[in-house]
Amino acid sequence: DGGITQSPKYLFRKEGQNVTLSCEQNLNHDAMYWYRQDPGQGLRLIYYSQIVNDFQKGDIAEGYSVSREKKESFPLTVTSAQKNPTAFYLCASAGSHEQYFGPGTRLTVT
Amino acid sequence: AQSVTQLDSQVPVFEEAPVELRCNYSSSVSVYLFWYVQYPNQGLQLLLKYLSGSTLVKGINGFEAEFNKSQTSFHLRKPSVHISDTAEYFCAVRPLDSSYKLIFGSGTRLLVRP
Repeated sequence: DGGITQSPKYLFRKEGQNVTLSCEQNLNHDAMYWYRQDPGQGLRLIYYSQIVNDFQKGDIAEGYSVSREKKESFPLTVTSAQKNPTAFYLCASAGSHEQYFGPGTRLTVT
Repeated sequence: AQSVTQLDSQVPVFEEAPVELRCNYSSSVSVYLFWYVQYPNQGLQLLLKYLSGSTLVKGINGFEAEFNKSQTSFHLRKPSVHISDTAEYFCAVRPLDSSYKLIFGSGTRLLVRP
């Protein structure tokens, strides 16, 4: 089965802790993306990577970090510097034209 | 810079009625256009896309959309909706001068009532 997996589906953390969200794809796509979604808003781009060992900041990168050591994997770390980390996080990879999305991870920080 | 506007945040409609979800965009370069659907607590699923050619594109679940270049619009339509169509719908554009970046609208919640 080809697709994108994100784990875990729900994640709870205490304020001040870093947390890493997993994203894996077996679609052989070069490009991968992380988005944040808040209620009543569209998707906002956090980071993206067009190729292994390279990534660029999106519109809201502050308080987040990523790595792209393998083509299949693009983990996102939400650091303690992110002021409002509670949100729904979506990972995507890109084929020729469109992006394909994972099922998302809902992060709650208290 | 590019932007996407979905003017209707919520569209209530009765089952079996037709529906149109509006999307307008602004871009100084050519774009590809997409509609995605999101069910609660899930990722986004591609409904349809316009790349080139015929301006009327058909997608999954009986949806279609028409690209109007002069009005910079890409409205989504369905002639008869079902309860199961209740979801959030996002319009997105990919400017052809970027590297696979998508710009999303804020979404329209379609609420189908029996």
